[in-house]
Amino acid sequence: GAGVSQSPSNKVTEKGKDVELRCDPISGHTALYWYRQSLGQGLEFLIYFQGNSAPDKSGLPSDRFSAERTGGSVSTLTIQRTQQEDSAVYLCASSLSSNSPLHFGNGTRLTVT
Amino acid sequence: QKEVEQNSGPLSVPEGAIASLNCTYSDRGSQSFFWYRQYSGKSPELIMFIYSNGDKEDGRFTAQLNKASQYVSLLIRDSQPSDSATYLCAVNMNSGNTPLVFGKGTRLSVIA
Repeated sequence: GAGVSQSPSNKVTEKGKDVELRCDPISGHTALYWYRQSLGQGLEFLIYFQGNSAPDKSGLPSDRFSAERTGGSVSTLTIQRTQQEDSAVYLCASSLSSNSPLHFGNGTRLTVT
Repeated sequence: QKEVEQNSGPLSVPEGAIASLNCTYSDRGSQSFFWYRQYSGKSPELIMFIYSNGDKEDGRFTAQLNKASQYVSLLIRDSQPSDSATYLCAVNMNSGNTPLVFGKGTRLSVIA
């Protein structure tokens, strides 16, 4: 079956522009996570959605970052006024429930020039 | 503070040896434990999960869980160069808003 789908796979943008990253989780998965991973570093938690509960936004690094999940399915991570330090791979993952294994998408590689 | 600790490595083992990867966690009430493998430039992929104390075997991989010691490990038997990757431990602490916490990973290098 289809896995977690992320788009675009690569995004190059100029400093100061806004970007939107999309995640299509596996159908029926209630939990959805966004992570950021810089080169050679570990996973940095950004935001967590679980069903209809209020998302945990505690990992968002600044108010330039926001995310939403519409209808409990597709999620969009938006970065406003991008900075060079935002350059990283952004990973989305989903799971059937909060206690189930995560399935990762292939990520979006963001480069801010 | 919810924490998952892993030795960053690199851990180097010769081909055919057993690689032992360790992980400790802070929340005694944690309920589920996962090991992911991440090749350079790729996304993490799930290789093992364990919920109960003891050992769980899957092919060349064995996960070991000791909840009393708050310790989970991954053993890779007959290590192959293709096992060279970063191994991430993740623990579902089932408390607070975000239950799943990842360690920073251990880099494994299997030398042919």
